[in-house]
Amino acid sequence: KQEVTQIPAALSVPEGENLVLNCSFTDSAIYNLQWFRQDPGKGLTSLLLIQSSQREQTSGRLNASLDKSSGRSTLYIAASQPGDSATYLCAVKRIQGAQKLVFGQGTRLTINP
Amino acid sequence: GAGVSQSPSNKVTEKGKDVELRCDPISGHTALYWYRQSLGQGLEFLIYFQGNSAPDKSGLPSDRFSAERTGGSVSTLTIQRTQQEDSAVYLCASSLYGGDSYEQYFGPGTRLTVT
Repeated sequence: KQEVTQIPAALSVPEGENLVLNCSFTDSAIYNLQWFRQDPGKGLTSLLLIQSSQREQTSGRLNASLDKSSGRSTLYIAASQPGDSATYLCAVKRIQGAQKLVFGQGTRLTINP
Repeated sequence: GAGVSQSPSNKVTEKGKDVELRCDPISGHTALYWYRQSLGQGLEFLIYFQGNSAPDKSGLPSDRFSAERTGGSVSTLTIQRTQQEDSAVYLCASSLYGGDSYEQYFGPGTRLTVT
C-alpha cells in the first residue's frame, strides 16, 4: 500500500526566506508526483507535475525535485511572500492499481510579513 | 478556459436524506475522478471514470455511495441515507486522459454537512 508523508505538518517563516517542503512515499513504482496548493475553503491548484523519469520541474519561484529511488520529493519556494501562505499537498500516482492520486496530509505554510 | 466546476458549493442536509453532487469537467477531458476530504482523513479517492470504460469504484466507502457520468461529461455523485460521518468536502478532478502522465485539475469542491 502506498503511503505519502509530508513533514512538517506546519511551518511559519518570515517573508523573504527560502524554504523547503518535504514529501516521502513508500512505493517507488509511481508514474508521477504532483504538488498542489490549497487555500482555505478552496479546491486544489496544481503547481508542478514531475514525471517518474524526471528529476525536477521549475515554475517561477517554485522548484520541485524527485528522487524516486529514495521515495522523496521536495518543493523549494524562493523569496517567500505572504501570498504563498496556504496548505501544500503532494500526491503520487501509482503504477499498480487504480488510476488515482494518493495524497499526503499536507504542510500548512504561513509567511509572516 | 473554464476549469472544473462543481455544484452546489455548500450543502446542508439532515441525517437520512439523499444528496446529489454535480461535477462539470474541463471540456474534452476524458477522465474524471471524485475524492473526499475530511478532517483527520486527508484526501481519499472515491471513484474514477475513463471514457466509456466501466468506472473504478474501489474507493467508495459503502453501497450508499454511487456515481454516474452521462455522455462522457457531467458526473453526479449520489449519497443515499446520509450519515454524519459523510460530512466532508467532495472534490472532483478531470484530466485529458486517465493514463500515466496526465495532470489532474480540481474543482472548488462541495462542502457537505450532515446534521
